[in-house]
Amino acid sequence: EAHLVESGGGLVQPGGSLRLSCVTSGFTFGNYAMSWVRQTPGKGLEWVSDISESGFNTYYADSVKGRFTVSRDNSENALYLQMNSLRAEDTALYYCAKDLSAGGVPGDAFDSWGRGTMVTVSS
Amino acid sequence: EVVMTQSPATLSVSPGERATLSCRASQTVNTDLAWYQQQPGQAPRLLIYAASTRAAGIPARFSGRGSGTEFSLTISSLQSEDFAVYFCQQYYDWPPVTFGQGTRLEIK
Repeated sequence: EAHLVESGGGLVQPGGSLRLSCVTSGFTFGNYAMSWVRQTPGKGLEWVSDISESGFNTYYADSVKGRFTVSRDNSENALYLQMNSLRAEDTALYYCAKDLSAGGVPGDAFDSWGRGTMVTVSS
Repeated sequence: EVVMTQSPATLSVSPGERATLSCRASQTVNTDLAWYQQQPGQAPRLLIYAASTRAAGIPARFSGRGSGTEFSLTISSLQSEDFAVYFCQQYYDWPPVTFGQGTRLEIK
């Protein structure tokens, strides 16, 4: 059974940076694309970013493009999200999520999620 | 991007009864549609993918149907643990995948 654990969230001032991590186990990490999804009470669930199995291809929501960078270390079974120039509207619970299908085309359902890490952007 | 609209926002049903939740896409998503259940304080849990395929370990009382722009999730006989928030998600027109705003299923 897949297990995902996020960390790195916290309180940061507008314009600041944070780096989120997601450590995984229980599946062959390098065979799956991975995503970051965030959740707020007001906007619900919002996909943030996706990275291909190899890490070669990355994708971003328009709301974070140019500010966030997704990466992965397949030797460490870990996923990362570097968040720069943070805004109040980035305040959310950030989940890492595993694509349902191994080696599939981009865009998929998510069959495993972590418990999330909270990011609060406020002065 | 594809806008997903769920209805109703809140559904009140008695335990043991059937519940049907709806999800509409602003344009066709073929059958690239998933349903998730979220309990308070927990991450979403995949129930259904490809519009009608139950995910691993999901009880048979959960069923999904639909294609194109109209989808539904039916829970045939509600158990106490089924009262939660349900989200639909399309992954046909990507990026981005998009989610509905959720339906809260509450005990009547």
